[in-house]
Amino acid sequence: DTAVSQTPKYLVTQMGNDKSIKCEQNLGHDTMYWYKQDSKKFLKIMFSYNNKELIINETVPNRFSPKSPDKAHLNLHINSLELGDSAVYFCASSQDWWQGNNSPLHFGNGTRLTVT
Amino acid sequence: DAKTTQPTSMDCAEGRAANLPCNHSTISGNEYVYWYRQIHSQGPQYIIHGLKNNETNEMASLIITEDRKSSTLILPHATLRDTAVYYCIVRVEETSYDKVIFGPGTSLSVIP
Repeated sequence: DTAVSQTPKYLVTQMGNDKSIKCEQNLGHDTMYWYKQDSKKFLKIMFSYNNKELIINETVPNRFSPKSPDKAHLNLHINSLELGDSAVYFCASSQDWWQGNNSPLHFGNGTRLTVT
Repeated sequence: DAKTTQPTSMDCAEGRAANLPCNHSTISGNEYVYWYRQIHSQGPQYIIHGLKNNETNEMASLIITEDRKSSTLILPHATLRDTAVYYCIVRVEETSYDKVIFGPGTSLSVIP
């Protein structure tokens, strides 16, 4: 049983294209996140949604647009892809957010995006 | 910026206890300490968390100092599958939301 699943696992595309990454969690959690892990292996938060509402929007280019159709899904759409967007993108979920000091994150296995 | 500092890398012999330290000297009273690990090519995996008291689960033990300024994650009998990057994290409260910031972590190599 996969708790947080992302598709696709690998994504290779050319500069200027538009692509989407999908994420689904079956844990019944209220909050979902997107993290980016760059070549230096630092994990940085990009977005967070709580009950389909955008809670966290870090300094991310507006070419990145998250979409949450329901509590169990948080998709990431990227327009006009650039070379610097190449990274591994992780989806995560947790039961709570700002009340969530006792609420671990559960991560998917990542989507490796390569822009050529 | 991450509120924790960890050694960049550590080695541990297979079957021995792995003790991974973490400093979080600016931690505030209501902030939990979390530990995650990331095995190559996988997503980070939650290990354990604690506030004041020592904690133990099926994966590891967490020892938090009385002043809460540092903690140690203990893997009692390290196996080769424990080779991973281990992240010590303190949740950061910021205005209307808090967020989890990952530092570079400790790369643990378990050696046969």
